[in-house]
Amino acid sequence: ETGVTQTPRHLVMGMTNKKSLKCEQHLGHNAMYWYKQSAKKPLELMFVYNFKEQTENNSVPSRFSPECPNSSHLFLHLHTLQPEDSALYLCASSQDPWDRASDTQYFGPGTRLTVL
Amino acid sequence: AQSVTQPDIHITVSEGASLELRCNYSYGATPYLFWYVQSPGQGLQLLLKYFSGDTLVQGIKGFEAEFKRSQSSFNLRKPSVHWSDAAEYFCAVGITQGGSEKLVFGKGTKLTVNP
Repeated sequence: ETGVTQTPRHLVMGMTNKKSLKCEQHLGHNAMYWYKQSAKKPLELMFVYNFKEQTENNSVPSRFSPECPNSSHLFLHLHTLQPEDSALYLCASSQDPWDRASDTQYFGPGTRLTVL
Repeated sequence: AQSVTQPDIHITVSEGASLELRCNYSYGATPYLFWYVQSPGQGLQLLLKYFSGDTLVQGIKGFEAEFKRSQSSFNLRKPSVHWSDAAEYFCAVGITQGGSEKLVFGKGTKLTVNP
């Protein structure tokens, strides 16, 4: 595997379910990100991790819980979601966590989430 | 507030025609500028980026972009479009805000290529 991988690629869940999204980067990067991509809206940055420490949470509801056990893996735990949370969730990574404004981000293919 | 505007939601061109996708930004300082492309079912891939120096930047797949400070623009161009260029294109600026660095994305322009 190369680049950034995400599993599952598609997920359908009820509002009372608990599920997790997984992201893995094989690039040796030190920063990882979760983004939400909804139709007709710009990408929304949700969380940022530098060297597996969370450095940014952009007012994301607590029903989204990230976890970064090491610099290569990132999870997004989901529970009691709402239908408006249906979206494409993208994971990204970059090399230099101290230069996030200029460093290239590498994106995974995303998880298409549908909340019923 | 910092923002990125892509005025065209959807553009259709014929294969072999030239292409220009528009991007305007609002930011007090000179930002770092990026164009990303997203093919169906894929994540975003970097086409090119501008930090400083020559205002005409060459990217992958035959794309180029020109930074115009006076117009706060960073338009993407390609002289001859191929059917495989059909995708969604995102302009982004890298900014520092409140001690935090991040990318701010536009809403994207979807490109359809007619045979």
